[in-house]
Order: sequence, then C-alpha cells, then structure tokens
Amino acid sequence: GNSVTQMEGPVTLSEEAFLTINCTYTATGYPSLFWYVQYPGEGLQLLLKATKADDKGSNKGFEATYRKETTSFHLEKGSVQVSDSAVYFCALSGIPHSGGYQKVTFGTGTKLQVIP
Amino acid sequence: GAVVSQHPSRVICKSGTSVKIECRSLDFQATTMFWYRQFPKKSLMLMATSNEGSKATYEQGVEKDKFLINHASLTLSTLTVTSAHPEDSSFYICSAKVSGDSYEQYFGPGTRLTVT
Repeated sequence: GNSVTQMEGPVTLSEEAFLTINCTYTATGYPSLFWYVQYPGEGLQLLLKATKADDKGSNKGFEATYRKETTSFHLEKGSVQVSDSAVYFCALSGIPHSGGYQKVTFGTGTKLQVIP
Repeated sequence: GAVVSQHPSRVICKSGTSVKIECRSLDFQATTMFWYRQFPKKSLMLMATSNEGSKATYEQGVEKDKFLINHASLTLSTLTVTSAHPEDSSFYICSAKVSGDSYEQYFGPGTRLTVT
C-alpha cells in the first residue's frame, strides 16, 4: 500500500537558517503530493502541493519538487522565521476511492522549532 | 478559505461513558467528511469516511460499534466514542472535502480526548 516516510524531529534551527525536511514515498501509480502544516493548537493547513512529476509546489517561501526518480518531495525554505515553528506533515493521495475522492496518506510529522 | 470547526477542543471523561465530538464545515458544504486519529509521534490514521445521508465507511481494524459516525447534514458530522476506555485517549481530527474537489481536505483543529 501507500506510505510516506519523513525525517523524525524535532528540528531546531536559528532564525534565517536554511530548512530541509526530507520526505520519501511509496505508492502505485502517480500520486499527488502535499505538505501540510499544523501550528500549535490549530488544525492542519495545506501548505503546498504538486500533482505530477517535476512539478514544484511553493507557498510562503516554502517549496518542494516532485521527484519521481527518487520518490521524494523534500520541503525547503531558504530563511526560516520564528513564526514557521509548527509540525509539518508530508502526504500523498493515491488511487481514487470508489466514492470519487482520493484517500490521503500522511507521514508521521516533523516538528520544527525556530529560535530567535 | 474553507473553515472547519470541532467541538469540544478538549474533553475528559470517565471510563465506560460515551463522548460525542462534532465536526462542522462553517462556510461550505461538505458531502464527505473524514475522521482521523493522531497518536503521539505517529501519523494521522484515517478511521472512517462519512458521507452525508449514508452510512460511514470504516477503515480496516476500526470498530464501527465503538466509533459511531453520523453525517446528518452537509455541514455536520459527529463521532461518538461509546463506552470509552483509557486506550481510546487520543487526538481526534476531522476534515471535510469540498463537493466536487477530488483531493483537498480542510482540517478541523482537533479534539483531545482523555479517558480516566
């Protein structure tokens, strides 16, 4: 079945440091890939997505490129801020469910803490 | 953007009692809602898919008689944990899918259930 593996946290960085959170996946077919972010006390929010190979998703300075050859979707940001402190989930949606939607499979989440 | 609320945000109950958690889509209609369980340092586990006006579809290994799901309207789904036990203590998150959108889900803030 589908699975997502992402680096364990927590990741602690100083403000303005470069961020990489690794994510690899296993899936049949051609899944869509996502990064979700969960700020403290809030629900998950879609951060960015890519729906086909070589697509680059980007939002709020974050970006990730869909690499089919390495089955990866690593999240990067050139300069993190304290406000980026949150838990980041890599996810994929695979074969459409019979109900017409695509089930989403999540990684375990990586907690990012940015210190001033 | 689309907003999903959950109520309550935290609940403590005694073993053997039942607890109801509500999930509401505030500014859109959701024909499909999802219920997840999040374990510490683990990914979100899909428990069931709730379709308005029909029975929920449960994932393998999830007890349908223990986790009762009702999706009575296009904006409300409820999860009732019946005869709760300490092992049911967890973080429960719902999400809702906009009608016609194949993959994007909007997540609620979650409900922390503690069974004593």
